[in-house]
Amino acid sequence: NAGVTQTPKFRILKIGQSMTLQCTQDMNHNYMYWYRQDPGMGLKLIYYSVGAGITDKGEVPNGYNVSRSTTEDFPLRLELAAPSQTSVYFCASSYGTGGTDTQYFGPGTRLTVL
Amino acid sequence: AQKVTQAQTEISVVEKEDVTLDCVYETRDTTYYLFWYKQPPSGELVFLIRRNSFDEQNEISGRYSWNFQKSTSSFNFTITASQVVDSAVYFCAPPGCYSSASKIIFGSGTRLSIRP
Repeated sequence: NAGVTQTPKFRILKIGQSMTLQCTQDMNHNYMYWYRQDPGMGLKLIYYSVGAGITDKGEVPNGYNVSRSTTEDFPLRLELAAPSQTSVYFCASSYGTGGTDTQYFGPGTRLTVL
Repeated sequence: AQKVTQAQTEISVVEKEDVTLDCVYETRDTTYYLFWYKQPPSGELVFLIRRNSFDEQNEISGRYSWNFQKSTSSFNFTITASQVVDSAVYFCAPPGCYSSASKIIFGSGTRLSIRP
């Protein structure tokens, strides 16, 4: 099992550019999550999904979009990148709801917007 | 709302000292789960423990132990004989239950530094 994989590991974007952060899990988990972690801070939930075709907003969804067409994949789309989106992005998955089941995290994507 | 407070923002101790990280939570649920996660300097997030609210026995895993006290809504984490490799940010996740929303809101964690 690879667990949760994320690509790319690093990326530098210019203001106004767009990109998609990829996340794939091979554990057949129902729940998937996207978090961002600003320097020296905790995790903030951007979006989450309870299964294929179902997504919902977290704490900080503005400027992001997600889709969940398959159980395995949960890409995060940044439209019109802004410096405030400079952060480390973590994808996670859990079999049951993250409130009751262990979340497994990917290695993270470090994004810089200049 | 489910909430957790880690009042200690940063802790620094000398190697081999024991250290306790505090976690106080709020919940209206009678059955819930609590978690601790670790984030070492390399940046990945690692699961440490999951505890059901029914089980109030202390958990010990090597040098790590967890003291769960429902009466004080606390789920504290102790590292015995700390080592430099224990340096990390530790997150106590808010209590979650099957009937609550899927999302959980992490706090800022406690940054633990172990000095040689």
